[in-house]
Amino acid sequence: NAGVTQTPKFQVLKTGQSMTLQCAQDMNHNSMYWYRQDPGMGLRLIYYSASEGTTDKGEVPNGYNVSRLNKREFSLRLESAAPSQTSVYFCASSEVRATGETQYFGPGTRLLVL
Amino acid sequence: EDQVTQSPEALRLQEGESSSLNCSYTVSGLRGLFWYRQDPGKGPEFLFTLYSAGEEKEKERLKATLTKKESFLHITAPKPEDSATYLCAVRMNTGFQKLVFGTGTRLLVSP
Repeated sequence: NAGVTQTPKFQVLKTGQSMTLQCAQDMNHNSMYWYRQDPGMGLRLIYYSASEGTTDKGEVPNGYNVSRLNKREFSLRLESAAPSQTSVYFCASSEVRATGETQYFGPGTRLLVL
Repeated sequence: EDQVTQSPEALRLQEGESSSLNCSYTVSGLRGLFWYRQDPGKGPEFLFTLYSAGEEKEKERLKATLTKKESFLHITAPKPEDSATYLCAVRMNTGFQKLVFGTGTRLLVSP
């Protein structure tokens, strides 16, 4: 199992450019998430998808859109990048077992917006 | 306001020197408290989930405990490979998917 994979690993954009961050998981999880991590701040939820075909806003959704393409894939799109979107982006998926919930994170995408 | 506070911000230990990390929370109803380990340049790695006061979980040199207001991550006889940032997060009773993260404790264990 590869777990949660993300592409690209690094990206530099100019203000106003658009891009899509890709995420895929091979653990057959229903729930998937996008977070951003900034220095001095905790991880913050951008969007989540509780199941295939559904998406909902998290704490900081402005400037982003998402697509839950199928059960495996959950993409994050920046339509017009701004310097404030410079951050490290993490995708995650989760499952609930008898022992409790477990979240698995991808390796992250480091984005710099100039 | 829902808040998760971790202390200390940074901790330096000698190999074998046991200590504890703290995660205090003020949230409207707790649906789970999570501990993660994060190495530089990598995504968080799940460690534990705790659900009710008095619950404890262990993994190798790590032990997590939970009270009504805080959680502790106890590190017994740490090794240099335990050096990482440890993150705490709380899932609240309101807002199905809202997970509030602390800013983490950076742990450095010296040989």
